[in-house]
Amino acid sequence: DGGITQSPKYLFRKEGQNVTLSCEQNLNHDAMYWYRQDPGQGLRLIYYSQIVNDFQKGDIAEGYSVSREKKESFPLTVTSAQKNPTAFYLCASSQGIEQFFGPGTRLTVL
Amino acid sequence: AQTVTQSQPEMSVQEAETVTLSCTYDTSESDYYLFWYKQPPSRQMILVIRQEAYKQQNATENRFSVNFQKAAKSFSLKISDSQLGDAAMYFCAYRSAKTSYDKVIFGPGTSLSVIP
Repeated sequence: DGGITQSPKYLFRKEGQNVTLSCEQNLNHDAMYWYRQDPGQGLRLIYYSQIVNDFQKGDIAEGYSVSREKKESFPLTVTSAQKNPTAFYLCASSQGIEQFFGPGTRLTVL
Repeated sequence: AQTVTQSQPEMSVQEAETVTLSCTYDTSESDYYLFWYKQPPSRQMILVIRQEAYKQQNATENRFSVNFQKAAKSFSLKISDSQLGDAAMYFCAYRSAKTSYDKVIFGPGTSLSVIP
């Protein structure tokens, strides 16, 4: 089945540690996106990539980094510089108009 | 910059009744797309319906339909014959049609409860 997978589903991190969230898609989509979702707010764009080896900052990129070495993969690293990283993170991909979403990762900083 | 507003943080509907969720947006562009996404308790985002701005006809998908008022920049979602499975967060979203992979701007969401 074609789709987007995110792992892990739940992630716990100690303050001051970097952590990497995985996002893989087998839809052969060129574009991939990372969103952050907080209670009472819509999705906010962290980073997006339109093609391999290229990516752009979204609206809230500070404290995050990404890489796009393969078309299928777009990992997100939450660094210790991110002041309030506890949130739900969604990955998406698209090949045109519609974006398809993964199941998300819930990150909690202890 | 484009913005999307959903003025109803929470709504409820009786099972089998009809409910309308409101959305307004702000843009200076003439060509764009509008979406309604559903996020059930599983948190999986699902596309409910899509509207192209150049189309005058309102989009429909089974029990879901929209009222697209381009001049008023309004894009409401009507759910008919509401079912328990419709209970979810609903997000209105906007995307420019300028490029193939433009970013999507989401509203803050409306939490819909369905009363049996």
